[in-house]
Amino acid sequence: EAGVAQSPRYKIIEKRQSVAFWCNPISGHATLYWYQQILGQGPKLLIQFQNNGVVDDSQLPKDRFSAERLKGVDSTLKIQPAKLEDSAVYLCASSPIAGGTYNEQFFGPGTRLTVL
Amino acid sequence: AQSVTQPDIHITVSEGASLELRCNYSYGATPYLFWYVQSPGQGLQLLLKYFSGDTLVQGIKGFEAEFKRSQSSFNLRKPSVHWSDAAEYFCAVVPASGNTGKLIFGQGTTLQVKP
Repeated sequence: EAGVAQSPRYKIIEKRQSVAFWCNPISGHATLYWYQQILGQGPKLLIQFQNNGVVDDSQLPKDRFSAERLKGVDSTLKIQPAKLEDSAVYLCASSPIAGGTYNEQFFGPGTRLTVL
Repeated sequence: AQSVTQPDIHITVSEGASLELRCNYSYGATPYLFWYVQSPGQGLQLLLKYFSGDTLVQGIKGFEAEFKRSQSSFNLRKPSVHWSDAAEYFCAVVPASGNTGKLIFGQGTTLQVKP
């Protein structure tokens, strides 16, 4: 079974530029998560999708970050414009379903973003 | 405030020695508890999880964790560490109330293994 795929693996941009990250979850997984992991910290949830609907985006900086999951499969996370503090690893995870009896989240390798 | 705390930012142990990584949580109801490992350049891998029942949980790679309700702790242990265990370890919870499956992570403990 293929795991969670993410691209690109690395990205370097200058501040005020735009960037987009792509995630393809495990086939059949209804729930998709984007986490931000700043160096020296644990991952923090940015947004959670159930199929193509948003479940939780309370910690997403909506003035600059956006995400979509068209057709309830793969997802794109965008930052526009980027700030220095956005330098982090962006992790995508998926699970069969969320809530209730917890289902394990499977993580992709992440995209390391450096903003200069 | 609700939180997950890993008191040790960095731990160094000798290969073959025992290991214990600490995790404390602060939630009204006992959350679901997890330990993840992250090797350099790799994604997060689940080591073990606790939902209910037996308080000693066995995981992959020879790890185990013990849930202690009275101490609000979920410490990770391994009897004999291998050099390949050097990595970042994260304790995480899913709150029992308003459960959406959202993971809340501690800040992590970096494990260094001396030959």
